[in-house]
Amino acid sequence: GAVVSQHPSRVICKSGTSVKIECRSLDFQATTMFWYRQFPKQSLMLMATSNEGSKATYEQGVEKDKFLINHASLTLSTLTVTSAHPEDSSFYICSARDLRVYEQYFGPGTRLTVT
Amino acid sequence: GEDVEQSLFLSVREGDSSVINCTYTDSSSTYLYWYKQEPGAGLQLLTYIFSNMDMKQDQRLTVLLNKKDKHLSLRIADTQTGDSAIYFCAESRMDSSYKLIFGSGTRLLVRP
Repeated sequence: GAVVSQHPSRVICKSGTSVKIECRSLDFQATTMFWYRQFPKQSLMLMATSNEGSKATYEQGVEKDKFLINHASLTLSTLTVTSAHPEDSSFYICSARDLRVYEQYFGPGTRLTVT
Repeated sequence: GEDVEQSLFLSVREGDSSVINCTYTDSSSTYLYWYKQEPGAGLQLLTYIFSNMDMKQDQRLTVLLNKKDKHLSLRIADTQTGDSAIYFCAESRMDSSYKLIFGSGTRLLVRP
């Protein structure tokens, strides 16, 4: 089956620093990847749609200058949380859409804690 | 609106069937999905159904779609303790974004 990896799985950083999270599709190509945020005991909130070779599309209320997305290849998208603050602490999950089918596969998530 | 709604909690006895329900609002949705999330993990795609179908069966899983009522259900036969998790339904739209709109999730607890 299709596999999506995320790195790191867990990160703790100090307030004011930037953190980069990687999302990779391991055995398929994905022109479109998605970034979600999930608070404890809540559903997933779509943050942005990442398209290979073009700018990301952000959902309403998501600051594009704070959450930088780069999708430089068909298998890699990165999310950089800039100048992180404690309220950015959350579980970030990416997904990748397989070009061939109507399925989205999710990564295992990255837990970010900002102290 | 864009709401996808689910009941928050379901408790069943091991061996019984579980039925998790979902309602959605957008009649233009093309695909409807069921995902499973275990604690601290990402989402595992369980199954999906195209909007012109009314039923899909995959081993212990049966998905029923009532398009008129915009109601989707997931039935798990012979529920096991390993099925305890949060189950999310999601819809994807006809537009080219392919983005998924998720329900709030149903926490399934399987009692021994």
